[in-house]
Amino acid sequence: DTGVSQDPRHKITKRGQNVTFRCDPISEHNRLYWYRQTLGQGPEFLTYFQNEAQLEKSRLLSDRFSAERPKGSFSTLEIQRTEQGDSAMYLCASSLGDRGPSKPNEKLFFGSGTQLSVL
Amino acid sequence: AQRVTQPEKLLSVFKGAPVELKCNYSYSGSPELFWYVQYSRQRLQLLLRHISRESIKGFTADLNKGETSFHLKKPFAQEEDSAMYYCALSGLWNFGNEKLTFGTGTRLTIIP
Repeated sequence: DTGVSQDPRHKITKRGQNVTFRCDPISEHNRLYWYRQTLGQGPEFLTYFQNEAQLEKSRLLSDRFSAERPKGSFSTLEIQRTEQGDSAMYLCASSLGDRGPSKPNEKLFFGSGTQLSVL
Repeated sequence: AQRVTQPEKLLSVFKGAPVELKCNYSYSGSPELFWYVQYSRQRLQLLLRHISRESIKGFTADLNKGETSFHLKKPFAQEEDSAMYYCALSGLWNFGNEKLTFGTGTRLTIIP
């Protein structure tokens, strides 16, 4: 499968524990996005990388959340001191973007997501 | 602020009947609108985008800036159209604002 890969598929943790998720984008894609989806809602934007640079963070992303993309390839999303409200599906997406002014936004390719349950 | 509204959480349509999934948006700049679809046990994937003016799997969507709508239509529903459909919005030509704002989705069920 050459699509976007996320690991793990499911994570159950106790409140207060730290968790880390990994996303491997499509290899030639320079843009990587993290979204969160709760039951009955559409995906909500969390953060976005262009290569290794984190260019935008949502106000939804509290200080307990941190994301990295150290070499411009895979990315990790860490949640510290998890809370029950963090329970959600965490989706990663990637795209091949050109930041030139004549280019519209590129098509996103989504991974299968990591389902987090905080007990 | 960007906002996408999909007023129907659930929509059931008989096979062969026309389908219309509603989407309204709020955005102060020039919008780029998308429809994403998630079939059972599959990933979220792009169905179509207004800028391409394409028809995918028989679906079309027209951006109506006057009514701030981007409704998804298909003249004759097929059983394989049953899925969750999300309307999404981004800023056109507005790099630095790459994020998509999604609606809450409409679950379409095609009745055989």
